[in-house]
Amino acid sequence: TQLLEQSPQFLSIQEGENLTVYCNSSSVFSSLQWYRQEPGEGPVLLVTVVTGGEVKKLKRLTFQFGDARKDSSLHITAAQPGDTGLYLCAGEAGSARQLTFGSGTQLTVLP
Amino acid sequence: DVKVTQSSRYLVKRTGEKVFLECVQDMDHENMFWYRQDPGLGLRLIYFSYDVKMKEKGDIPEGYSVSREKKERFSLILESASTNQTSMYLCASRSEWGGEQFFGPGTRLTVL
Repeated sequence: TQLLEQSPQFLSIQEGENLTVYCNSSSVFSSLQWYRQEPGEGPVLLVTVVTGGEVKKLKRLTFQFGDARKDSSLHITAAQPGDTGLYLCAGEAGSARQLTFGSGTQLTVLP
Repeated sequence: DVKVTQSSRYLVKRTGEKVFLECVQDMDHENMFWYRQDPGLGLRLIYFSYDVKMKEKGDIPEGYSVSREKKERFSLILESASTNQTSMYLCASRSEWGGEQFFGPGTRLTVL
C-alpha cells in the first residue's frame, strides 16, 4: 500500500504570513494532485504536477513536485482568510484507478 | 458545470437500520468512489467501481456494500448501521483516462 504523509496536520497563522505544506512518500508517483476542501463541501482540485522538479504557480500558491516524484510541497505567500481549508495531496501511480490521498493539512488563517 | 450529487447532506439513523447513500455524476465517468472522512484520518477508500456492475474493495470495506446498476449512479449501503459508522461520506468520480477527481458535497451520517 502506498502512503502519503502530510505535514503539518494543523496550521494556524495570521493573515499575511507565509507557509509551506509538505507531502511525502517512499513511493514514486506518475503525478500528484493538490485539492482544497472547504467546510461542508467536497475537495476541489487546485493543481496537478506531472514532471519531476516541476513548479506551478496559482496566484499566491506555489506547488512543487520533487525531482524523484516522491514528494511535493505547497507554499502560500501572504496568506489570506480565504485560504482557510483542508489541503489534501493525492498521488497517482501507474495504472492504478484510484488516487492515494494524504491525511490532509487543516489551515486556518486568522484576520 | 460538471457535477457529482449526493442524495442527502445530513442523515440521522438508528443502530441496526439499513442505510442507502446515493451518488450521481453527469460526466459519463467510468470510475466512481466512496470514501469516508474522519478527523485526523483523512480520506479512506471504502469501495470503488470502474464499470457498471463492477466493484472493488477499498481499504475499509467491512460493514459496507455497493451497487452500480447504471454508469451514472453509485450507491453505498450500510446493511446494519452501527455507531462507529458515524462519519462524513464523500462520493467521487473520475475518467478512465485519469486526471481530476470530482467530489460530491458529502453526506454527514450520524448513527444513534
